[in-house]
Amino acid sequence: SQQGEEDPQALSIQEGENATMNCSYKTSINNLQWYRQNSGRGLVHLILIRSNEREKHSGRLRVTLDTSKKSSSLLITASRAADTASYFCATDALPSPGSGTSYGKLTFGQGTILTVHP
Amino acid sequence: DTEVTQTPKHLVMGMTNKKSLKCEQHMGHRAMYWYKQKAKKPPELMFVYSYEKLSINESVPSRFSPECPNSSLLNLHLHALQPEDSALYLCASSRFIAAYEQYFGPGTRLTVT
Repeated sequence: SQQGEEDPQALSIQEGENATMNCSYKTSINNLQWYRQNSGRGLVHLILIRSNEREKHSGRLRVTLDTSKKSSSLLITASRAADTASYFCATDALPSPGSGTSYGKLTFGQGTILTVHP
Repeated sequence: DTEVTQTPKHLVMGMTNKKSLKCEQHMGHRAMYWYKQKAKKPPELMFVYSYEKLSINESVPSRFSPECPNSSLLNLHLHALQPEDSALYLCASSRFIAAYEQYFGPGTRLTVT
């Protein structure tokens, strides 16, 4: 099963509103990353937050990480129609014996489809 | 140059064909990846190369054969595919194998008839 699970599965908002997406994961991580994907195209890296960080900002994006709850959230402020896309969290898990994980393996969540109406 | 390029953009092949997907980056990245993505699903890792050596093979069927001829190029050779292999194939690269953001190409849309 996927390491990261996201909610909501779909989010529909008006331009100017804020959008919040949540991601939960199961194992210890090295870092957690967020990516955006426009329909049928490649993924674009948005932000990387390391396991010893709690919050990170990049422009209109704010990411939080709570390793005790194994969860992360992505907040997009003042959304625009151009933000319409699928958003995925991806975990870079810490390898451990028998875990099936290894360095370099990003495991993606199911994604949140964000629609921003003009 | 922060671009990963993939060719072709679209590929239609029969189950008896042999074809190859190509990926190229000129960012000096030493790790390169192949992912498979089905519609409305997240990308699934297939292979990881680090310093041109295969580091991870996620139990991918042998009809998919990766190759990394040099640090800038990554190929995926396809042979005797099945219709269920139809998907978007994404290539990515990162500075090194762990703890770095990945840069993705636009993908190759593969249809197996």
